[in-house]
Amino acid sequence: DQQVKQNSPSLSVQEGRISILNCDYTNSMFDYFLWYKKYPAEGPTFLISISSIKDKNEDGRFTVFLNKSAKHLSLHIVPSQPGDSAVYFCAASALGTGGFKTIFGAGTRLFVKA
Amino acid sequence: DTGVSQNPRHKITKRGQNVTFRCDPISEHNRLYWYRQTLGQGPEFLTYFQNEAQLEKSRLLSDRFSAERPKGSFSTLEIQRTEQGDSAMYLCASSPLFGGGTTRTDTQYFGPGTRLTVL
Repeated sequence: DQQVKQNSPSLSVQEGRISILNCDYTNSMFDYFLWYKKYPAEGPTFLISISSIKDKNEDGRFTVFLNKSAKHLSLHIVPSQPGDSAVYFCAASALGTGGFKTIFGAGTRLFVKA
Repeated sequence: DTGVSQNPRHKITKRGQNVTFRCDPISEHNRLYWYRQTLGQGPEFLTYFQNEAQLEKSRLLSDRFSAERPKGSFSTLEIQRTEQGDSAMYLCASSPLFGGGTTRTDTQYFGPGTRLTVL
């Protein structure tokens, strides 16, 4: 039962263009969404987040959009740089009986070509 | 700036042996999480501590797995009688008591992980 889905295992983009990574979720209890970036041999690094009360959050080159009715979120990176090449994980969180529980998608590997 | 640290970074063991991993969270963080990640998958939640209290455990955490955080600081994850299916990256993360700006308190900061190989 995959509650958070990233249907594209990989994405290739030219340097300077926009990268759009997509994520779908099924659990309507999720109220906080995050994107993490992971380089090889390192743990995931927090990138950007959005609360369910918003539909957009921007931080420099990174913007996350949330469409609650479609249970869909996306991460836009513009302009893309070769250093952005990494695996990107979408994650969703909800307050449960024991505290916060975060569910991760399987990840999308982004290749930014110079 | 000290982030989350994990030791060892790599562990190779034979089936049936016990292994223990250590996680040192960011010092002011009172929440600590353990995850398991296998190839091609995202991190899967194992367990969660708030201070020294273990508040939630996943069904993935069989009886062979035990986690502790005795003084609310570092944590250990022990796997007894390891099986080949336990081979994975074990990730630790921590999160603060208070958020900042638009960042909620459950934004987690990960360590580099311990890669376990069971032969």
